Amino acid sequence: DAGVIQSPRHEVTEMGQEVTLRCKPISGHDYLFWYRQTMMRGLELLIYFNNNVPIDDSGMPEDRFSAKMPNASFSTLKIQPSEPRDSAVYFCASSSLPLAGGYQETQYFGPGTRLLVL
Amino acid sequence: AQTVTQSQPEMSVQEAETVTLSCTYDTSENNYYLFWYKQPPSRQMILVIRQEAYKQQNATENRFSVNFQKAAKSFSLKISDSQLGDTAMYFCALRGSGAGSYQLTFGKGTKLSVIP
Repeated sequence: DAGVIQSPRHEVTEMGQEVTLRCKPISGHDYLFWYRQTMMRGLELLIYFNNNVPIDDSGMPEDRFSAKMPNASFSTLKIQPSEPRDSAVYFCASSSLPLAGGYQETQYFGPGTRLLVL
Repeated sequence: AQTVTQSQPEMSVQEAETVTLSCTYDTSENNYYLFWYKQPPSRQMILVIRQEAYKQQNATENRFSVNFQKAAKSFSLKISDSQLGDTAMYFCALRGSGAGSYQLTFGKGTKLSVIP
């Protein structure tokens, strides 16, 4: 399995520009998570989907952030307009329906997208 | 609300020695899952080991083992025969089992340096 795929790996943009981060989960996984990592706040959940439906978006910082999952193999996280304080590493992770006795509840992370907003 | 606390921001260990990283947590759920993730300088999050709260036996993965004390809500990671490649940030994480609690709650991390 190729694992969780994220693109781009690095993004440098200027304040006010739109940024789109992309994620392809592991095939067969029906949960998808977006996390953000900063020095100040550590790793924090932004939003997660189950079967392409957003379940909890309480971690999305503000209206400038939006996430979609149009199908089981693709999700986007968009920031519009971007600001310097959005600079962080953004991780996508996926897992399958939790089942007792198995490893399905484990979340597998992508390599992350390092975003720098100037 | 779930919380995870890692009280050791940084640790170091000599190569081939053993080191233990601490983690305490709080949750109101009776069943849950605990994880240790490793993040090397590449920033990739790599699963090291996992533990189901309903299992009393401590999980082991090669040189990595945990000491899970459910009553004390403690979940420490022991790395035996430390190797230079173990140098990384280590994050303890908790996930509930109830509906709506599938997200991971992370500690702040412990930066481990293995010294040659």
